[in-house]
Amino acid sequence: EVQLVESGGGLVQAGGSLRLSCVGSGISLSDHYMEWVRKAPGKGLEWIGGSRDKANGHTTEYAASVQGRFKISRDDSGNSVHLQMHGLKTDDTAVYFCARDFASGSDVWYFDLWGRGTLVTVSS
Amino acid sequence: QLTQSPSSLSASVGDRVTITCRASQDISSSLVWYQQEPGKAPKLLIYAASSLQSGVPSRFSGSGSGTDFTLTISSLQPEDFATYYCQDLKEYPVTFGGGTRVQIK
Repeated sequence: EVQLVESGGGLVQAGGSLRLSCVGSGISLSDHYMEWVRKAPGKGLEWIGGSRDKANGHTTEYAASVQGRFKISRDDSGNSVHLQMHGLKTDDTAVYFCARDFASGSDVWYFDLWGRGTLVTVSS
Repeated sequence: QLTQSPSSLSASVGDRVTITCRASQDISSSLVWYQQEPGKAPKLLIYAASSLQSGVPSRFSGSGSGTDFTLTISSLQPEDFATYYCQDLKEYPVTFGGGTRVQIK
């Protein structure tokens, strides 16, 4: 079965750090753009960052809200993508999802495969 | 930036439901729709503005291009009560609309 599984969430104090992981099975993550999206309580979905595929050097992009605090990295041998979070704020409390950003053709993209998410709670 | 409307609506089983998404600039057809139920991951419904994802019921349809887009549910079913999001995937940074919560009347 093709799936993504996130882990690493938990309770952390404001100002602290946390590292989330997303491991793929039945899919080679290095061949795909991978994204991180979060859902805070009572709020909508927020894209927080993405990592291009291996062919594009796994280069990364970030939302302004996390630029400089969050970093996405890859471990191709472990078939995983990671989200390192520093300087956490109470506003970062959310369920964090990883998703595959699939290219169906020229300029046609969509997030077609999602993990179940991992909860990050930042306390004051 | 994507503006979804309404932010919530109440409807009955069998109703036709329309949700709109307006982009602040021309995004061609790079618009995607997702459904999210509480406690679950988002589910892909429509990509490229009007293409139905495999396995998604045909009562869901999408239309539009440029700046104005629509998601239509032709006959609302009990399992459709959820929150719907549009997404602009033309380029980074990726943006989502604020969401539309569809509730039971």
